Amino acid sequence: DAGVTQSPTHLIKTRGQQVTLRCSPKSGHDTVSWYQQALGQGPQFIFQYYEEEERQRGNFPDRFSGHQFPNYSSELNVNALLLGDSALYLCASSQGQVLDNQPQHFGDGTRLSIL
Amino acid sequence: EDQVTQSPEALRLQEGESSSLNCSYTVSGLRGLFWYRQDPGKGPEFLFTLYSAGEEKEKERLKATLTKKESFLHITAPKPEDSATYLCAVLGETSGSRLTFGEGTQLTVNP
Repeated sequence: DAGVTQSPTHLIKTRGQQVTLRCSPKSGHDTVSWYQQALGQGPQFIFQYYEEEERQRGNFPDRFSGHQFPNYSSELNVNALLLGDSALYLCASSQGQVLDNQPQHFGDGTRLSIL
Repeated sequence: EDQVTQSPEALRLQEGESSSLNCSYTVSGLRGLFWYRQDPGKGPEFLFTLYSAGEEKEKERLKATLTKKESFLHITAPKPEDSATYLCAVLGETSGSRLTFGEGTQLTVNP
């Protein structure tokens, strides 16, 4: 049973560039959430996708956008990269939009470094 | 706004030396409190969900407990392989599906 998979594992970009990160949810899961984790910090919620729509958004600027495909996989796009965007980007999947009885399962993330 | 504070920031134990990690939270109506383990370079690995005060969950050397204001992760007779960062997260009534995490406790168990 494949868990949450993310690609690429590492990425180096320069300021002003754009980046796309990809996520395949755990088998049987239909909801994908994205988190940003700075070094030494806890993950911060970016947004959640369910039924191919953004359902909830955290305190992140419009430079951060996403997409969910019919097969439930998802992409995170970040435009006009800033040095402060350097972080581990985590994808989490769950079954159904409400988490009360289903914990989110995380992938191993994409380490994004901005030069 | 939901808030989570974890203490201590870092904890160093000798193998077999039991201890507890603390997670204090402020949330308007707790729907769930989650404990995760995170190894370096990896994503968080789910450990436990607690829903109401008084609830306890156990897994091997780990036991999680919950009160109305905080949760404890008790580690009994730890081994070096228990070394990791332990993260606590909450889900409140007004959170939707947004988990709010603490900054974690970095646990090191020396042989």
